[in-house]
Amino acid sequence: DTGVSQNPRHKITKRGQNVTFRCDPISEHNRLYWYRQTLGQGPEFLTYFQNEAQLEKSRLLSDRFSAERPKGSFSTLEIQRTEQGDSAMYLCASSLAPGQGSYEQYFGPGTRLTVT
Amino acid sequence: GQQLNQSPQSMFIQEGEDVSMNCTSSSIFNTWLWYKQDPGEGPVLLIALYKAGELTSNGRLTAQFGITRKDSFLNISASIPSDVGIYFCAGQRRETSGSRLTFGEGTQLTVNP
Repeated sequence: DTGVSQNPRHKITKRGQNVTFRCDPISEHNRLYWYRQTLGQGPEFLTYFQNEAQLEKSRLLSDRFSAERPKGSFSTLEIQRTEQGDSAMYLCASSLAPGQGSYEQYFGPGTRLTVT
Repeated sequence: GQQLNQSPQSMFIQEGEDVSMNCTSSSIFNTWLWYKQDPGEGPVLLIALYKAGELTSNGRLTAQFGITRKDSFLNISASIPSDVGIYFCAGQRRETSGSRLTFGEGTQLTVNP
């Protein structure tokens, strides 16, 4: 399977704990995106990488959130001191960069976070 | 926050009927995309549109990129039970916003056999 994969699929944590999610993009894709989706809403952009460089961050990405893509392949999203408002589906997507062919974004299955 | 207005919010139809949903924006997008999402899963890309006025089909699905670049619609013909799900439109401004996608709030489709 060469699609986008995310782990874990589900995470339940207590308020105040730290959590980390992983995303493995489609192998030839050099752009990787993180989105957050709450119930009844469409996904909202958080941040994106081109190779290992983090090029843009949304205002939604508070100081408690950090994302990395150290070798330009997989990425991790960490949330520190989780709050109940962080409960959501965290989606990862990948694409080629503009000029390298079609750059549609393909999504992974998501990580469902529940903060109790 | 969301910038796209997607309608209708929900639709209840009989198997075999055609479906139409649309998406409008107050600003211009260079690309429109349509995704389908099943419960507990990530969005799956259905159709991508790159030029104003473009009409593209994918099986029973047809989508159009509005001439003003501020709207798009999706039609599903001869619906079947597996069409059930949430359909999202997404716009993209390739030059200025790092290719981030801006999503509508979705259209929940229910198909009665």
